[in-house]
Amino acid sequence: AQKITQTQPGMFVQEKEAVTLDCTYDTSDPSYGLFWYKQPSSGEMIFLIYQGSYDQQNATEGRYSLNFQKARKSANLVISASQLGDSAMYFCAMRERDNTDKLIFGTGTRLQVFP
Amino acid sequence: GAGVSQSPSNKVTEKGKDVELRCDPISGHTALYWYRQRLGQGLEFLIYFQGNSAPDKSGLPSDRFSAERTGESVSTLTIQRTQQEDSAVYLCASSLSPVYEQYFGPGTRLTVT
Repeated sequence: AQKITQTQPGMFVQEKEAVTLDCTYDTSDPSYGLFWYKQPSSGEMIFLIYQGSYDQQNATEGRYSLNFQKARKSANLVISASQLGDSAMYFCAMRERDNTDKLIFGTGTRLQVFP
Repeated sequence: GAGVSQSPSNKVTEKGKDVELRCDPISGHTALYWYRQRLGQGLEFLIYFQGNSAPDKSGLPSDRFSAERTGESVSTLTIQRTQQEDSAVYLCASSLSPVYEQYFGPGTRLTVT
């Protein structure tokens, strides 16, 4: 079974609008972490935001916030006030504590921001 | 400070040749990871080093793949007898410890002809 599922291969959003990128996960480990990375066309992976499984509040980093719904096993990324530079691939990833802490990645969502 | 660096940035090799890819992690980062990203796909875990512990090699796809790391410094990923299906971008990442976020290098694009 897929550990990380990103069901949106591509998304479009108009500049200055908000957009939500979906991510669901599957784990039986009570201690895990969820990450979002951005990969622009240059190829480098850029860390955006982290949510721990025991964190009580949703993580926020500037224009990025993580809508963490533990019971539904979802960790959607919300980007507010989209900018043209936000156009990139976005990957959701999970780290399981009892799985040597490696990151398991989803297949990604390509976000395109248009003027 | 300097980020994770990888070399070469691009490598074209003939099928059957061996290649070595290098990763310089961020200074002080004890954890180092190698991932592979095939065209249009997500990242696949290959191998993980943490300090002086035995590496986690569970993601290596075949015995043609191996990696070494000297202490908490440079790591090399070696692919022997390359095959066309090895063509991909190989990404290295490091972190202060496994519980922290991983910082990625720019990757090495490997093309096997």
